[in-house]
Amino acid sequence: DAGVIQSPRHEVTEMGQEVTLRCKPISGHDYLFWYRQTMMRGLELLIYFNNNVPIDDSGMPEDRFSAKMPNASFSTLKIQPSEPRDSAVYFCASRWGGEIGYTFGSGTRLTVV
Amino acid sequence: GENVEQHPSTLSVQEGDSAVIKCTYSDSASNYFPWYKQELGKRPQLIIDIRSNVGEKKDQRIAVTLNKTAKHFSLHITETQPEDSAVYFCAASMTGTASKLTFGTGTRLQVTL
Repeated sequence: DAGVIQSPRHEVTEMGQEVTLRCKPISGHDYLFWYRQTMMRGLELLIYFNNNVPIDDSGMPEDRFSAKMPNASFSTLKIQPSEPRDSAVYFCASRWGGEIGYTFGSGTRLTVV
Repeated sequence: GENVEQHPSTLSVQEGDSAVIKCTYSDSASNYFPWYKQELGKRPQLIIDIRSNVGEKKDQRIAVTLNKTAKHFSLHITETQPEDSAVYFCAASMTGTASKLTFGTGTRLQVTL
């Protein structure tokens, strides 16, 4: 298995533009998590899905952020419009319901200028 | 919700010395405590975990201890090596299918020669 796959690895965009981050979980994993990592706040949970259904989106900072999981093998995190304070590394992680430990993707480093 | 505090934020030790990182948690219902290691520019990776039914767990040079009464747990690294240099995150969650990890803010460990 190739692990959790995220794309793009790096994204630089201008303030006000729409940004879409993508994640492919490990096959068979039924939980998918989106985290944001910054120096100031560490790893923050944004949203997580179980069987493609959003379970807890209380960490989504504001309405500019949205996430979808149209099927078991794909999820997106969208920011529209983007702002400089959204600059961070965004990690996707997945796990199987019968276990607890996560497997993280390689992350997307987002820079909004 | 769960809140995890982690100390110190930075730690510098000489090669061969021991390193200790401490975390406290707030939710007495939490019963799973993993530790992740994140090397520069890479994804967090699970290095060891402990459940609340045990007080200590060892894996070669690393060990984790848990004090449920005080709600704190610690990571111990003995005979540190330069390749131990990384950011270490503690986390806490409940077990069960709805579990989600709450992370500490991380400790940057530097092992000097």
